[in-house]
Amino acid sequence: RKEVEQDPGPFNVPEGATVAFNCTYSNSASQSFFWYRQDCRKEPKLLMSVYSSGNEDGRFTAQLNRASQYISLLIRDSKLSDSATYLCVVNMNTGGFKTIFGAGTRLFVKA
Amino acid sequence: GAGVSQSPSNKVTEKGKDVELRCDPISGHTALYWYRQRLGQGLEFLIYFQGNSAPDKSGLPSDRFSAERTGESVSTLTIQRTQQEDSAVYLCASSLGRVTNEKLFFGSGTQLSVL
Repeated sequence: RKEVEQDPGPFNVPEGATVAFNCTYSNSASQSFFWYRQDCRKEPKLLMSVYSSGNEDGRFTAQLNRASQYISLLIRDSKLSDSATYLCVVNMNTGGFKTIFGAGTRLFVKA
Repeated sequence: GAGVSQSPSNKVTEKGKDVELRCDPISGHTALYWYRQRLGQGLEFLIYFQGNSAPDKSGLPSDRFSAERTGESVSTLTIQRTQQEDSAVYLCASSLGRVTNEKLFFGSGTQLSVL
């Protein structure tokens, strides 16, 4: 079983739509959680951290459910520029901080 | 430099040759990570360093792969007797390494092509 699992998509949505991505992780000792964004042929960049209380950054909302080992990302009012691959990321303490990336969910926003 | 620097940016090699990839992390970052990304796929964890030590080497695909870090700075990833399946982008990232919820800063990667 992969340590971090995501639906690969692709998700094809029109501009203005709301889209949600889910992610599950297998290691209950995981300590911190993130969503990164990766554009085609570019390196990943941090989108937002994910907290148990949930957090929001503009059109983006992230949620964490530790009991179910589940993370989500909600994008409201999708823009063309949101088209990218969204990577679910889990950090665990194994004598240092091992950071594992999910395989990513591809999003295409069309006009 | 201001960011994570990787070299070379592109490397073309023949099957069976050895290659060495270099990563210069952000100054002061004690944690350093290597990932492999094959075309159209996700990031595959290879190894990470806390200081000069590698607590977890479980991601290295085979004994042809090795990595080292010196002076809590530069790291090199070495692939011996390269195979075509090694063709991928190799990404390096660094972070301060002090707490668990830190942002990773990535280099632009080394595109390795094994002919």
